[in-house]
This record gives sequence, structure tokens and C-alpha cells, in this order.
Amino acid sequence: EILMTQSPATLSVSPGERATLSCRASQSVSNTLAWYQQKPGQAPRLLIYDASTRATGIPATFSASGSGTEFTLTISSLQSEDFAVYYCQQYNKWPQTFGQGTKVEIK
Amino acid sequence: EVQLVESGGGLIQPGGSLRLSCAASGFSVSSNYMSWVRQAPGKGLEWVSVIYGGGTTQYADSVRGRFTISRDDSKNTLSLQMNNLRAEDTAVYYCTRGAPSDSWGQGTLVTVSS
Repeated sequence: EILMTQSPATLSVSPGERATLSCRASQSVSNTLAWYQQKPGQAPRLLIYDASTRATGIPATFSASGSGTEFTLTISSLQSEDFAVYYCQQYNKWPQTFGQGTKVEIK
Repeated sequence: EVQLVESGGGLIQPGGSLRLSCAASGFSVSSNYMSWVRQAPGKGLEWVSVIYGGGTTQYADSVRGRFTISRDDSKNTLSLQMNNLRAEDTAVYYCTRGAPSDSWGQGTLVTVSS
């Protein structure tokens, strides 16, 4: 199974600032990497797929990059609604696996 | 509009069985990858199982041999039969569409406890 490791576990950011989240795969997953956002009491929402493509309705403040084993999600200017937990997921091989999540909190 | 609605969760004793259902609307389950993803209280996401194509299935090691995923194309529903449940199966179970998952249900809580 492919292990996904996210860092940091918690990121404290002030509104309006940039946030950069990292995700590392234990072996290459090519570009089959997705990012999800989850707010308390809600189901996750797909933000990014194929490593860098924004899902429908996702604003341009979210961008992502990477391939192989190293991936990054960037939120260019944090708004109040962006404070949440973010997960990466590889879908290159079964079983699909998620990272443990990065909590983005208000500084 | 795509919609997924899970049902069937509840409190069950260790060793017991439970069947989860997911009613899909706005698309056909038969034409999509359909998965179950779970989330233990206060924990992260764990992929559980998928069904796709002509009925091909995959399972996480943690549930293989105990859980069975299936779909009813005529009713446009997805199911998860869970047997020999353990305390560590306690979680909110989400039904999702796609790989990756572009649509999620609201989840149904399964609590395994005596």
C-alpha cells in the first residue's frame, strides 16, 4: 500500500496570508493525486484532481502542483471559509490511500 | 443534480452485522466508480471499498473478507454489507462517486460497541 504523508499536521495562518501544504507519497503516483477540504460536521469536498486541476466551482485561490512523490497545495490568500482540514489522496493504485490531514487554523 | 444519501447506520455489538445503503440520483451508479470511505471519530479519512465496471471490486486490507460492496443498477443504489464488526470499524461511512471522489453523501454513523 502507498503511504501518504502530509506536513505540517497543523498550520497557523492569518487571514489574507498564503498557506502551503505538502503531501509526499512513499512511491511514485504519477499525477494521480487529489486534494480535499473538510469542515467540521461536513463531508469532504474535492478541490483538486490530477495533481493540479481544480474541481468544478473551486476558486482560483486554490492551486496545486507536483508529480511523482512530492505535491503541494497552495491557498493564495486565506479567507475565513478556508480554515479547515485538508487531505491528499492517491488514486494511482488500489487501495486508494489518504494522508493524515493538515489542519489550517486561524493564527 | 448529483445526490448521494446514505442510510443503515446505527449501534451494533461486536461480531454483529450491518448493511449500509446509498441512494444515488442525478447519475447512474453503473457507469461510475462507487466507493465507501470512512472516518473514525476525530480521525482522518480511510478508503474502504470500490465497485466499478462490470462489478469489479477492491477492498482495504482492514475490511477484506468481512465487508462486501455491491450495487443494484435497477434501483441505482450502492450497498456495503459489514459482517463480524469490530470496535475499530466505528466511523462515519461516506458513499462517494468517482475516482477521485467528486461527490460525497452526508455520511452515516456506525458505532460498534457492547
